This record gives sequence, C-alpha cells and structure tokens, in this order.
Amino acid sequence: QQQVKQSPQSLIVQKGGISIINCAYENTAFDYFPWYQQFPGKGPALLIAIRPDVSEKKEGRFTISFNKSAKQFSLHIMDSQPGDSATYFCAASKIQGAQKLVFGQGTRLTINP
Amino acid sequence: DTEVTQTPKHLVMGMTNKKSLKCEQHMGHRAMYWYKQKAKKPPELMFVYSYEKLSINESVPSRFSPECPNSSLLNLHLHALQPEDSALYLCASSQVLRAQRGYTFGSGTRLTVV
Repeated sequence: QQQVKQSPQSLIVQKGGISIINCAYENTAFDYFPWYQQFPGKGPALLIAIRPDVSEKKEGRFTISFNKSAKQFSLHIMDSQPGDSATYFCAASKIQGAQKLVFGQGTRLTINP
Repeated sequence: DTEVTQTPKHLVMGMTNKKSLKCEQHMGHRAMYWYKQKAKKPPELMFVYSYEKLSINESVPSRFSPECPNSSLLNLHLHALQPEDSALYLCASSQVLRAQRGYTFGSGTRLTVV
C-alpha cells in the first residue's frame, strides 16, 4: 500500500516535444504529490507539487495532471529542452507532520537536440 | 537561505573506521531527514527527526547512528560499515506542520566503503 509506481523507466524526446511521465499510488491517505528533478551528482530538487483537491497544476512548462478516482498523476513537460535531461521522481506523502516521502522508481529523461 | 548544506561531499572509509556526515539548514525547518540513494534507484528513507526528536527509524542497522544536536544540524555517525553501504547519503528538511513547500534536499555525501 505504500508503493508508488512510475513509468516509463526511460524516455527519449526530441527538443520541443512533450515529455510525459506517469505515476500511480495505492494509499488513499496520501495527500501531497511532488515531482523531483535530479541531475547526476546532485540531490533531488522540487519541481512542482499538487494536492488531491485540484486536477491540474501548471508552473511554466511543467504541468501535473491528477486523477483522484484512478489514483494516478502525471508530469507533462512542454517544449522539452536539452537542459531538462535528468532523472525525474514522482513521490507521495501525507502533508501533515514529518512524513516519509514514498518515491517512484524514477524516469531517466533524455531530450535530443 | 534556502539551502541544505552537507559535508563532506565525498568520503572514503575503511570498514573499521568511524566517520560522521553533517547536515545544516537555516530555513527554520523543524523536520530533518536522512535518505540513502543507490545508483539508478530512488532515495530510501533512513531516519526522520521532528523537533529534534527521532520520530521514524526505518529499521536501519545500528552501524548508522543519527543525531540532531539542535534545530539546524543533523549528523549521521558511521561505524563498521560494509561495502554495500556505499551510496549517496542525502539530508533533507521540511516544515513539520505543513510540508507543502516541499522537502529541500542537500547535494549529498558520496560515501565509498572499502
């Protein structure tokens, strides 16, 4: 029940294209769903996050879509750029208290110029 | 200051050594975390401190000993580690009451056990 399943494992997108990464969770007690971007040798950096009371959140080229009934959420990167090449992790947690972040397995995204 | 600072960045230690990893933040966060990350894997939670008290221990072996001396500092004491403990050790911090601003991760300590 603590799992977050992420797909695909790796993704190659042409510059200017749309990158889509999907995640599914099991625990309905989760109420905070962040996405992290990690470059080699660096720690994960928060990209964007969503609460289950909204179905979509957009920040610049990054959009989270959230489907509460299906227990799924996805990250869309519009106009993908070579600088977006990194590993992306979805995660889930409860927002109250010092809680464990449950991570998906990660997606290695490569944007070809 | 919106950073979590970890030292050292790299550490090589023998299986009989004792060493410590350090983490510092000045964002006023009262929750601090240790995560372990192996290559091509997601971070795995080790410990959580809330208001300087250990609140979660994910069944971590006793050769890893955390310490939170004050609200800004978090240490991880290492003793008698095994080669399989080689990994990137990440520190993170967050607000306690509402973590909606997200966890802030440090850049990690790359640990190699020889």
